[in-house]
Amino acid sequence: GEDVEQSLFLSVREGDSSVINCTYTDSSSTYLYWYKQEPGAGLQLLTYIFSNMDMKQDQRLTVLLNKKDKHLSLRIADTQTGDSAIYFCAERTGGGFKTIFGAGTRLFVKA
Amino acid sequence: GAVVSQHPSWVICKSGTSVKIECRSLDFQATTMFWYRQFPKQSLMLMATSNEGSKATYEQGVEKDKFLINHASLTLSTLTVTSAHPEDSSFYICSARESATAGNTQYFGPGTRLTVL
Repeated sequence: GEDVEQSLFLSVREGDSSVINCTYTDSSSTYLYWYKQEPGAGLQLLTYIFSNMDMKQDQRLTVLLNKKDKHLSLRIADTQTGDSAIYFCAERTGGGFKTIFGAGTRLFVKA
Repeated sequence: GAVVSQHPSWVICKSGTSVKIECRSLDFQATTMFWYRQFPKQSLMLMATSNEGSKATYEQGVEKDKFLINHASLTLSTLTVTSAHPEDSSFYICSARESATAGNTQYFGPGTRLTVL
């Protein structure tokens, strides 16, 4: 079945880079997304990548996609305390219209 | 652009009452809207998918008579939790898909925290 997995926690120092990893199972995924959720709030779309791309960069964010290994990563450069949040990886399944979410990675940024 | 609002942002109700949550796409037309439920420190659980003008498609295990969804227009969907009980207390998040954009991205509302006493 369709599944998206992420590590649950990541702790980094302010100014360092953060790398959040995600694996998925549906090889026919069309789009892959990264969302950010701050406490008590909804999800904010950070970026997405189409499945025929292997990298996308947007300011401090770099998304890497290894389609062969079904591995997606989000790198946040110069991580700030305001980046502390839960980051959800999600895939748009190729066979339908569903978006499947991972459990979320809680990023802690230490000052 | 691509803003989704929810109302109310939080609600407290007595057991046995019904609660209606509204989800609106403010600056785009959403042919498809989604309702999710999120338990503390957990991921989003898709409850149902609704297309404008048609019946919602519920995920396995979600009672359609308990969670009534109406998607009457391209900018509004409502979720009614009928005869709410304490176990229905949760964070409910709606999402709307803007099919006209690349990525067919889903945009999320800020969520509604429901507490049933």
